[in-house]
Amino acid sequence: AQSVAQPEDQVNVAEGNPLTVKCTYSVSGNPYLFWYVQYPNRGLQFLLKYITGDNLVKGSYGFEAEFNKSQTSFHLKKPSALVSDSALYFCAVSWYSSASKIIFGSGTRLSIRP
Amino acid sequence: DAEITQSPRHKITETGRQVTLACHQTWNHNNMFWYRQDLGHGLRLIHYSYGVQDTNKGEVSDGYSVSRSNTEDLPLTLESAASSQTSVYFCASTPGLNTEAFFGQGTRLTVV
Repeated sequence: AQSVAQPEDQVNVAEGNPLTVKCTYSVSGNPYLFWYVQYPNRGLQFLLKYITGDNLVKGSYGFEAEFNKSQTSFHLKKPSALVSDSALYFCAVSWYSSASKIIFGSGTRLSIRP
Repeated sequence: DAEITQSPRHKITETGRQVTLACHQTWNHNNMFWYRQDLGHGLRLIHYSYGVQDTNKGEVSDGYSVSRSNTEDLPLTLESAASSQTSVYFCASTPGLNTEAFFGQGTRLTVV
């Protein structure tokens, strides 16, 4: 079965330090990978995606993610965290035969302390 | 600007009642989705549609139904509300494969 996993419920980072939010996936064929962010009482907002090409993709607010096919991972990263990055982050995946259906991980709460 | 809106934003209903949550998008997207968000489960797919008159069941479709009579709207109906359906519901749309989804603001439903 197709799935996506976020192994950490919460990640705590000091402001100014680098951050990583982990995501692994399992799909048949080539994956299309996405990261979304959710602020309190809001819908999800798109951050970045990997479809094909360069394994390192850059997105909004200084975030980037690295696609690693051998490890089936798509970790979200930022070189220097801001307090305003504190939010709930979701990894998501679709695939060619999914016909646009997207499945989401369980989410990781990122907390940046001043 | 194009957008996707959900209504109501908050709803309290009684067990056994029929409830309909509205979703309206002005992106002219063919694909529309309903998810529920619960702590520890992330977003789980309830129903989805690839176009007018097309509807499909997701992983947690029991007790829910949708209809797609036009491109813009995908209402979600709870046939007989149960306490287990207390959740936050999100509607989303995409223009096609490989594209990011656009989400509504969510509807917080409480079944008492």
